[in-house]
Amino acid sequence: GQQVMQIPQYQHVQEGEDFTTYCNSSTTLSNIQWYKQRPGGHPVFLIQLVKSGEVKKQKRLTFQFGEAKKNSSLHITATQTTDVGTYFCAGYNAGGTSYGKLTFGQGTILTVHP
Amino acid sequence: ETGVTQSPTHLIKTRGQQVTLRCSSQSGHNTVSWYQQALGQGPQFIFQYYREEENGRGNFPPRFSGLQFPNYSSELNVNALELDDSALYLCASSSPQSGGFRANVLTFGAGSRLTVL
Repeated sequence: GQQVMQIPQYQHVQEGEDFTTYCNSSTTLSNIQWYKQRPGGHPVFLIQLVKSGEVKKQKRLTFQFGEAKKNSSLHITATQTTDVGTYFCAGYNAGGTSYGKLTFGQGTILTVHP
Repeated sequence: ETGVTQSPTHLIKTRGQQVTLRCSSQSGHNTVSWYQQALGQGPQFIFQYYREEENGRGNFPPRFSGLQFPNYSSELNVNALELDDSALYLCASSSPQSGGFRANVLTFGAGSRLTVL
């Protein structure tokens, strides 16, 4: 079945440093979404990418969707302590067998040292 | 606009017991999905309900079942609980978007943390 892998599993940075997490799917995706989960919280939607090669920015966050629609990345510039949490990518394959199924990666846990 | 609410927030069961978890979807959302999140893992899709019918299912056994009600709220039932069922159960609601129903974005509830002893 479809698999979504994320690297790295953990990332520790000093406040002000940049951070990047990468996401790779075993199959071509119809769209990819990114979610953030704070410690003890629940996933919160950040963004959705649909088009091949799409790049979207939200303040210090930059999201990319690969040309082949099988990989994606999230880059945070100048991290702040408020960025702490686990970042998940989640892929949707419209041709998949499970209607409505989002396949989540295992997440990247980001810690930021002040 | 109210968000997704889930109950109970925490519960403890023993092996072999049955559990029912409840979810109220966000106002305006007509689709509910359930996910299981084990500690340190990403959410795993259990199933999705639309118009009171299951219209998508992940790799979970039949002892995981659900319902959706006319007001779009939902229940997740798990029978014959096993130790590995211990996890955070997340309910998420969504609504069809222009350009394709499948491209929906999930609004998650805070989850129900189930511990099976």
